[in-house]
Amino acid sequence: DTEVTQTPKHLVMGMTNKKSLKCEQHMGHRAMYWYKQKAKKPPELMFVYSYEKLSINESVPSRFSPECPNSSLLNLHLHALQPEDSALYLCASSRWDNSNEKLFFGSGTQLSVL
Amino acid sequence: AQKVTQAQTEISVVEKEDVTLDCVYETRDTTYYLFWYKQPPSGELVFLIRRNSFDEQNEISGRYSWNFQKSTSSFNFTITASQVVDSAVYFCALRGVGANSKLTFGKGITLSVRP
Repeated sequence: DTEVTQTPKHLVMGMTNKKSLKCEQHMGHRAMYWYKQKAKKPPELMFVYSYEKLSINESVPSRFSPECPNSSLLNLHLHALQPEDSALYLCASSRWDNSNEKLFFGSGTQLSVL
Repeated sequence: AQKVTQAQTEISVVEKEDVTLDCVYETRDTTYYLFWYKQPPSGELVFLIRRNSFDEQNEISGRYSWNFQKSTSSFNFTITASQVVDSAVYFCALRGVGANSKLTFGKGITLSVRP
């Protein structure tokens, strides 16, 4: 099983809503990542969790709140988003947060903020 | 600082043609890792290859081949006898060593393979 599963696949939310994106992997990976990808742009790193602890926060606004409840799950809680936050949100995992590790990506959640 | 340049933005070929996707990188690290990922319309990034800076051997995997030239800081990707299923965005990426090193992506190349 070499899958990273993300739900939902699509999400439309208003600026006052609270929603959560979910990511799950059962490969025993100990590093998990959130990336944001705007159309026709490369992915941009948001957060890295290593052994369920937040190790990197790329100065992401507080309206995005990550959570890693256990080694298989990664959530991204969304609150009071702006229309410019509309993007594809990709989750990834790797065995460890090590330079040579390849990242396995999910299919993403396409988020639209109205 | 790290930088990955994919100068080609869009390439269109006819099926069965060979196509080369260029990647040039900049880094001050002496040890680093280079990657290629494929992003089909479905959205997920699919890992294709990882190469470390000490290994300049070229690699072939089926119709895919990679040419790593450290002297010119390039890591080019060639698809032989392209197929429609190869249509996707292809990203070259670089990661240095260190606890907080992150994967730096190029801007991506959109490859369209026409039947």
